[in-house]
Amino acid sequence: AQTVTQSQPEMSVQEAETVTLSCTYDTSESDYYLFWYKQPPSRQMILVIRQEAYKQQNATENRFSVNFQKAAKSFSLKISDSQLGDAAMYFCAYRSAYAGGTSYGKLTFGQGTILTVHP
Amino acid sequence: GAGVSQSPSNKVTEKGKDVELRCDPISGHTALYWYRQSLGQGLEFLIYFQGNSAPDKSGLPSDRFSAERTGGSVSTLTIQRTQQEDSAVYLCASSLSGGAPEQYFGPGTRLTVT
Repeated sequence: AQTVTQSQPEMSVQEAETVTLSCTYDTSESDYYLFWYKQPPSRQMILVIRQEAYKQQNATENRFSVNFQKAAKSFSLKISDSQLGDAAMYFCAYRSAYAGGTSYGKLTFGQGTILTVHP
Repeated sequence: GAGVSQSPSNKVTEKGKDVELRCDPISGHTALYWYRQSLGQGLEFLIYFQGNSAPDKSGLPSDRFSAERTGGSVSTLTIQRTQQEDSAVYLCASSLSGGAPEQYFGPGTRLTVT
């Protein structure tokens, strides 16, 4: 079974600064997807960024970028120019890409990292 | 367009009662997922629907939990004889198909069992 670990329960950053959230995962599969989701106090899970395992290039979405190290099974999220609206719980998630596999479709989440942004 | 909707937003029930939680996926999305978020267990997968069938029910914690999906759209998660450990936020997500990687989440139902 796949596992996802977020070792930072809480992180804080000053507005306009950069912060990196860590995530490691364990899998025997070679084809999969990795995601970062944001969950503000409203509870709504919002997809921040996605990475396909077969792609060597790191995904970027505006101020959000990832550092994907497949061999090390590491997937960190970098938030640049942090804004007050970035404050939320951030979850790293794994999804198998093998159709018909026992874990196909479902997301496996890490424990989450609470990000506080100071003005 | 409209996102995933869930109802009720909050539900308080007495131990031993049955509850039904509803999820309306994004129109045209054939895949639907239920997850549970609790303080002790984090975010856990419960069940996955492709159309009206559920190829993966592996996350349902006990036989008190069941789910159905009718017409390939709305899904209902039913918890019978609720227990205090069932208190959690129940999240629903949908995706364009079972193969589509992105899942879009609803706002969740907070269930409190007293």
